[in-house]
Amino acid sequence: NAGVTQTPKFQVLKTGQSMTLQCAQDMNHEYMSWYRQDPGMGLRLIHYSVGAGITDQGEVPNGYNVSRSTTEDFPLRLLSAAPSQTSVYFCASRRGLPGSSYEQYFGPGTRLTVT
Amino acid sequence: EDQVTQSPEALRLQEGESSSLNCSYTVSGLRGLFWYRQDPGKGPEFLFTLYSAGEEKEKERLKATLTKKESFLHITAPKPEDSATYLCAVQARPPPPGAGGTSYGKLTFGQGTILTVHP
Repeated sequence: NAGVTQTPKFQVLKTGQSMTLQCAQDMNHEYMSWYRQDPGMGLRLIHYSVGAGITDQGEVPNGYNVSRSTTEDFPLRLLSAAPSQTSVYFCASRRGLPGSSYEQYFGPGTRLTVT
Repeated sequence: EDQVTQSPEALRLQEGESSSLNCSYTVSGLRGLFWYRQDPGKGPEFLFTLYSAGEEKEKERLKATLTKKESFLHITAPKPEDSATYLCAVQARPPPPGAGGTSYGKLTFGQGTILTVHP
């Protein structure tokens, strides 16, 4: 198992550009989520998905879009990059029914800089 | 609103010097408390899940304990390879049917404790 994979590992964007951060998992997990990690702020939930075709917003969804057409893939789209979106982005997945407490598995992260 | 506070922010130990990290939390009904380890430039790696007060779990030099208000991560005789950031997160119980809100079980993370163990 590769676990949770993310691409790219590093990215530099100019303000106003758009891009897609890729995330894939091979564990057949129902739940996938995107977090951003900023110094002093901890990990904050951007969007999550409870299965193919079902997504919802987390704490900090503004400026980001997601879709989930397959169980394996959960891409995060930045619509118009802003310097405030400079961060490290982590994708995570877990198994289980709604309300269950199985541990999440995280990808290696994408370090994004917006100039 | 669920909250998690970790202390200290940073901890420097000598090899073999045991210590504890603290995770204080407030949550509307605890479903689970999670400990993760994060190495620089990598994603968090799962360590433990604790479900109820009084529960303890161990893995090598690490032992996690849970009370109704906080969790401790005890590190016994640490080695330099234990140097990392340790993250704590809580998951609330889903609301009862009909009460509204998400049943996903969102994780709320603390800011982490940066542990450095010197040889």
